[in-house]
Amino acid sequence: QTVVTQEPSLTVSPGGTVTLTCASSTGAVTSGYSPNWFQQKPGQAPRPLIYSISKKHSWTPARFSGSLLGGKAALTLSGVQPEDEAEYYCLLYYDGAHWVFGGGTKLTVL
Amino acid sequence: QVQLQESGPGLVKPSQTLSLTCTVSGDSISSGSYYWSWIRQPAGKGLEWIGRIYTSGSTNYNPSLKSRVTISVDMSKNQFSLKLSSVTAADTAVYYCARGYCTSTSCSMGYWGQGTLVTVSS
Repeated sequence: QTVVTQEPSLTVSPGGTVTLTCASSTGAVTSGYSPNWFQQKPGQAPRPLIYSISKKHSWTPARFSGSLLGGKAALTLSGVQPEDEAEYYCLLYYDGAHWVFGGGTKLTVL
Repeated sequence: QVQLQESGPGLVKPSQTLSLTCTVSGDSISSGSYYWSWIRQPAGKGLEWIGRIYTSGSTNYNPSLKSRVTISVDMSKNQFSLKLSSVTAADTAVYYCARGYCTSTSCSMGYWGQGTLVTVSS
């Protein structure tokens, strides 16, 4: 069974920079996995942020960026705002047919 | 802008079949090469992809749920549906529907419904 792993929790100061990562149990994450990133706040539906490694949706704030880093997908938040405190999920695409979510990273802004 | 809205019973008895519908507004479900997905989230836990359907009828399911899941589309009603059979308490979750799009090099899941809570209990 394929497992997608994220950091369970991270803390960042307001105005700081933080990078969240997303690893696959099958090996290095590449463009073929078309990594997607979502932000979810309590009681809300997930909000899409990034797709295909680094492409942004029209509503995605400029401070969010995606990349591949050391065999993992990565989401970097630069100039973190208090409203960025949320759960973040990555999503990877396998065999051109199946999606698998990561377990999520709880980001605290302190 | 496309909008998605889940609907269906909020309470299902164990061993019965969970049935949900996602109504699409703001665009025709048959326009473009979109796929239509179901995702769920138990309270306090992470997201789980259930499956997807293209309007051609082609489907893909999560291998762990495949034996119990059926996703179908009704283009005349601009809706797609989820059926999950033989439910247990472990199937209690918020269920989301979503629209996605794939090209030869890129896939996204860009529009989601607000979700609907389904509780499995006698």
